Amino acid sequence: DAGVIQSPRHEVTEMGQEVTLRCKPISGHDYLFWYRQTMMRGLELLIYFNNNVPIDDSGMPEDRFSAKMPNASFSTLKIQPSEPRDSAVYFCASSPTGKGSAEQYFGPGTRLTVT
Amino acid sequence: DQQVKQNSPSLSVQEGRISILNCDYTNSMFDYFLWYKKYPAEGPTFLISISSIKDKNEDGRFTVFLNKSAKHLSLHIVPSQPGDSAVYFCAASGAAGNKLTFGGGTRVLVKP
Repeated sequence: DAGVIQSPRHEVTEMGQEVTLRCKPISGHDYLFWYRQTMMRGLELLIYFNNNVPIDDSGMPEDRFSAKMPNASFSTLKIQPSEPRDSAVYFCASSPTGKGSAEQYFGPGTRLTVT
Repeated sequence: DQQVKQNSPSLSVQEGRISILNCDYTNSMFDYFLWYKKYPAEGPTFLISISSIKDKNEDGRFTVFLNKSAKHLSLHIVPSQPGDSAVYFCAASGAAGNKLTFGGGTRVLVKP
Protein backbone atom coordinates (compact mmCIF):
# COMPACT_ATOMS: atom_id res chain seq x y z
CA ASP A 1 0.00 0.00 0.00
CA ALA A 2 1.66 3.23 -1.18
CA GLY A 3 2.16 6.02 1.29
CA VAL A 4 2.00 9.72 0.55
CA ILE A 5 3.82 10.46 -2.69
CA GLN A 6 5.57 13.75 -3.36
CA SER A 7 7.31 15.02 -6.45
CA PRO A 8 9.85 16.16 -7.21
CA ARG A 9 12.12 15.03 -4.36
CA HIS A 10 14.57 17.82 -5.11
CA GLU A 11 14.06 21.10 -6.92
CA VAL A 12 16.68 23.73 -7.66
CA THR A 13 15.47 26.91 -9.29
CA GLU A 14 16.48 30.51 -9.75
CA MET A 15 14.90 33.39 -7.95
CA GLY A 16 11.82 34.66 -9.75
CA GLN A 17 10.89 31.33 -11.28
CA GLU A 18 7.63 29.50 -10.63
CA VAL A 19 7.84 26.31 -8.59
CA THR A 20 5.14 23.66 -8.35
CA LEU A 21 5.27 20.89 -5.77
CA ARG A 22 2.98 17.89 -6.07
CA CYS A 23 1.38 15.50 -3.64
CA LYS A 24 -0.69 12.35 -3.86
CA PRO A 25 -2.28 11.49 -0.51
CA ILE A 26 -3.07 8.02 0.76
CA SER A 27 -6.24 6.73 -0.84
CA GLY A 28 -9.26 7.20 1.39
CA HIS A 29 -7.74 9.95 3.52
CA ASP A 30 -9.96 13.00 3.87
CA TYR A 31 -7.38 15.46 5.15
CA LEU A 32 -4.34 16.80 3.34
CA PHE A 33 -1.72 19.05 4.90
CA TRP A 34 1.21 21.04 3.52
CA TYR A 35 4.13 21.75 5.89
CA ARG A 36 7.44 23.55 5.53
CA GLN A 37 10.55 22.74 7.54
CA THR A 38 13.35 25.24 7.99
CA MET A 39 16.17 25.56 10.48
CA MET A 40 14.81 28.83 11.81
CA ARG A 41 11.11 28.01 12.10
CA GLY A 42 11.07 24.23 12.39
CA LEU A 43 8.09 22.32 11.03
CA GLU A 44 5.20 24.66 10.34
CA LEU A 45 1.78 24.08 8.82
CA LEU A 46 1.08 26.09 5.68
CA ILE A 47 -2.43 24.98 4.70
CA TYR A 48 -4.75 22.03 5.05
CA PHE A 49 -7.70 20.64 3.13
CA ASN A 50 -10.67 18.54 4.15
CA ASN A 51 -12.51 16.74 1.35
CA ASN A 52 -10.60 18.85 -1.20
CA VAL A 53 -11.72 22.14 0.40
CA PRO A 54 -9.12 24.48 1.95
CA ILE A 55 -9.93 24.82 5.65
CA ASP A 56 -7.09 26.87 7.08
CA ASP A 57 -4.49 28.74 5.05
CA SER A 58 -3.34 31.02 7.84
CA GLY A 59 0.14 29.53 7.66
CA MET A 60 0.71 30.47 4.03
CA PRO A 61 3.51 33.05 4.26
CA GLU A 62 2.37 35.42 1.54
CA ASP A 63 0.45 35.77 -1.69
CA ARG A 64 3.29 34.22 -3.64
CA PHE A 65 2.17 30.88 -2.21
CA SER A 66 -0.96 29.10 -3.39
CA ALA A 67 -2.30 25.57 -2.99
CA LYS A 68 -4.98 23.62 -4.78
CA MET A 69 -6.63 20.25 -4.44
CA PRO A 70 -8.61 19.59 -7.63
CA ASN A 71 -9.54 16.07 -6.56
CA ALA A 72 -9.11 13.62 -3.70
CA SER A 73 -5.90 12.15 -5.07
CA PHE A 74 -3.87 15.22 -6.01
CA SER A 75 -2.71 18.52 -4.56
CA THR A 76 -0.22 21.17 -5.62
CA LEU A 77 1.68 23.89 -3.79
CA LYS A 78 2.84 26.67 -6.05
CA ILE A 79 5.31 29.46 -5.36
CA GLN A 80 5.38 32.32 -7.84
CA PRO A 81 7.75 34.07 -7.96
CA SER A 82 10.18 32.08 -5.83
CA GLU A 83 12.73 33.75 -3.55
CA PRO A 84 15.88 32.41 -1.83
CA ARG A 85 14.11 32.53 1.57
CA ASP A 86 11.64 29.95 0.27
CA SER A 87 14.42 27.35 0.36
CA ALA A 88 13.20 24.61 2.69
CA VAL A 89 11.89 21.07 2.79
CA TYR A 90 8.18 20.93 1.98
CA PHE A 91 6.17 18.01 3.32
CA CYS A 92 2.73 16.82 2.40
CA ALA A 93 0.75 14.70 4.88
CA SER A 94 -2.66 13.07 4.90
CA SER A 95 -4.96 11.61 7.51
CA PRO A 96 -8.32 9.88 7.64
CA THR A 97 -11.34 11.21 9.47
CA GLY A 98 -12.42 9.75 12.78
CA LYS A 99 -9.22 7.95 13.59
CA GLY A 100 -9.31 9.55 16.98
CA SER A 101 -5.62 10.17 17.21
CA ALA A 102 -4.94 13.06 14.81
CA GLU A 103 -2.29 10.80 13.32
CA GLN A 104 -0.93 12.14 10.04
CA TYR A 105 1.11 10.26 7.48
CA PHE A 106 3.91 12.23 5.88
CA GLY A 107 5.46 12.00 2.47
CA PRO A 108 9.24 12.01 1.99
CA GLY A 109 9.33 15.74 1.30
CA THR A 110 10.56 18.00 -1.49
CA ARG A 111 13.83 19.81 -0.86
CA LEU A 112 13.57 23.19 -2.58
CA THR A 113 16.61 25.35 -3.22
CA VAL A 114 16.11 28.80 -4.69
CA THR A 115 19.32 30.48 -5.84
CA ASP B 1 4.54 32.38 20.13
CA GLN B 2 5.67 28.78 20.48
CA GLN B 3 2.74 26.75 21.70
CA VAL B 4 4.73 23.50 21.77
CA LYS B 5 8.30 23.52 23.04
CA GLN B 6 11.03 20.94 23.22
CA ASN B 7 13.71 22.59 25.30
CA SER B 8 16.43 20.02 24.74
CA PRO B 9 17.76 20.20 21.18
CA SER B 10 19.81 17.06 21.60
CA LEU B 11 20.24 13.98 23.76
CA SER B 12 22.97 11.37 23.87
CA VAL B 13 22.38 8.01 25.56
CA GLN B 14 24.13 4.67 25.80
CA GLU B 15 22.57 1.66 24.11
CA GLY B 16 20.33 -0.25 26.51
CA ARG B 17 19.68 2.74 28.74
CA ILE B 18 16.54 4.85 28.93
CA SER B 19 15.98 7.90 26.72
CA ILE B 20 13.65 10.54 28.12
CA LEU B 21 12.40 13.30 25.84
CA ASN B 22 10.39 16.20 27.17
CA CYS B 23 7.80 18.53 25.70
CA ASP B 24 5.86 21.47 27.12
CA TYR B 25 2.77 23.16 25.71
CA THR B 26 0.87 26.32 26.51
CA ASN B 27 -2.51 25.91 24.78
CA SER B 28 -5.03 24.28 27.11
CA MET B 29 -7.28 23.51 24.11
CA PHE B 30 -4.89 20.81 22.89
CA ASP B 31 -6.40 17.38 23.53
CA TYR B 32 -4.26 15.00 21.46
CA PHE B 33 -0.53 14.69 21.70
CA LEU B 34 1.74 12.76 19.41
CA TRP B 35 5.39 11.89 18.99
CA TYR B 36 6.97 11.60 15.58
CA LYS B 37 10.36 10.23 14.64
CA LYS B 38 12.33 11.56 11.70
CA TYR B 39 15.35 10.17 9.90
CA PRO B 40 17.38 12.34 7.50
CA ALA B 41 15.86 12.74 4.02
CA GLU B 42 12.60 11.14 5.15
CA GLY B 43 9.28 12.48 6.33
CA PRO B 44 8.29 12.29 9.99
CA THR B 45 6.86 8.92 11.04
CA PHE B 46 4.16 8.58 13.66
CA LEU B 47 5.42 6.87 16.81
CA ILE B 48 2.87 7.05 19.60
CA SER B 49 0.02 9.27 20.77
CA ILE B 50 -2.00 10.03 23.86
CA SER B 51 -5.40 11.56 24.43
CA SER B 52 -5.85 14.18 27.13
CA ILE B 53 -8.18 11.82 29.02
CA LYS B 54 -5.23 9.53 29.73
CA ASP B 55 -1.98 10.05 31.57
CA LYS B 56 -0.01 7.18 30.09
CA ASN B 57 0.14 5.20 26.88
CA GLU B 58 2.56 2.37 26.20
CA ASP B 59 3.58 0.66 22.98
CA GLY B 60 6.45 -1.77 23.25
CA ARG B 61 9.61 0.12 24.15
CA PHE B 62 7.86 3.48 23.91
CA THR B 63 5.79 5.10 26.66
CA VAL B 64 4.29 8.56 26.64
CA PHE B 65 3.32 10.30 29.86
CA LEU B 66 0.99 13.29 30.03
CA ASN B 67 0.75 15.71 32.96
CA LYS B 68 -2.12 18.02 32.09
CA SER B 69 -1.79 20.24 35.13
CA ALA B 70 1.83 20.96 34.24
CA LYS B 71 1.10 21.02 30.48
CA HIS B 72 3.97 18.61 30.04
CA LEU B 73 4.49 15.34 28.24
CA SER B 74 7.42 13.03 27.95
CA LEU B 75 8.48 10.09 25.83
CA HIS B 76 10.42 7.23 27.37
CA ILE B 77 12.33 4.80 25.20
CA VAL B 78 13.61 1.76 27.01
CA PRO B 79 15.87 0.10 26.20
CA SER B 80 17.36 2.53 23.68
CA GLN B 81 18.78 1.02 20.50
CA PRO B 82 21.16 2.48 17.90
CA GLY B 83 18.29 2.47 15.38
CA ASP B 84 16.46 4.93 17.61
CA SER B 85 18.97 7.62 16.66
CA ALA B 86 16.81 10.22 14.94
CA VAL B 87 15.06 13.54 15.52
CA TYR B 88 11.93 13.27 17.64
CA PHE B 89 9.11 15.78 17.34
CA CYS B 90 6.37 16.37 19.84
CA ALA B 91 3.06 17.54 18.33
CA ALA B 92 -0.32 18.64 19.63
CA SER B 93 -3.78 18.87 18.13
CA GLY B 94 -7.13 20.33 19.10
CA ALA B 95 -9.13 17.54 17.45
CA ALA B 96 -8.64 14.30 15.59
CA GLY B 97 -7.82 14.96 11.95
CA ASN B 98 -7.11 18.61 12.66
CA LYS B 99 -3.89 20.51 12.26
CA LEU B 100 -0.84 19.67 14.32
CA THR B 101 1.45 22.11 16.06
CA PHE B 102 4.98 20.78 16.29
CA GLY B 103 7.79 21.35 18.72
CA GLY B 104 11.27 22.14 17.48
CA GLY B 105 12.52 18.57 17.79
CA THR B 106 15.13 16.74 19.86
CA ARG B 107 17.99 14.94 18.16
CA VAL B 108 18.71 11.64 19.87
CA LEU B 109 21.97 9.78 19.48
CA VAL B 110 22.16 6.26 20.86
CA LYS B 111 25.76 5.12 21.26
CA PRO B 112 26.57 1.43 20.86
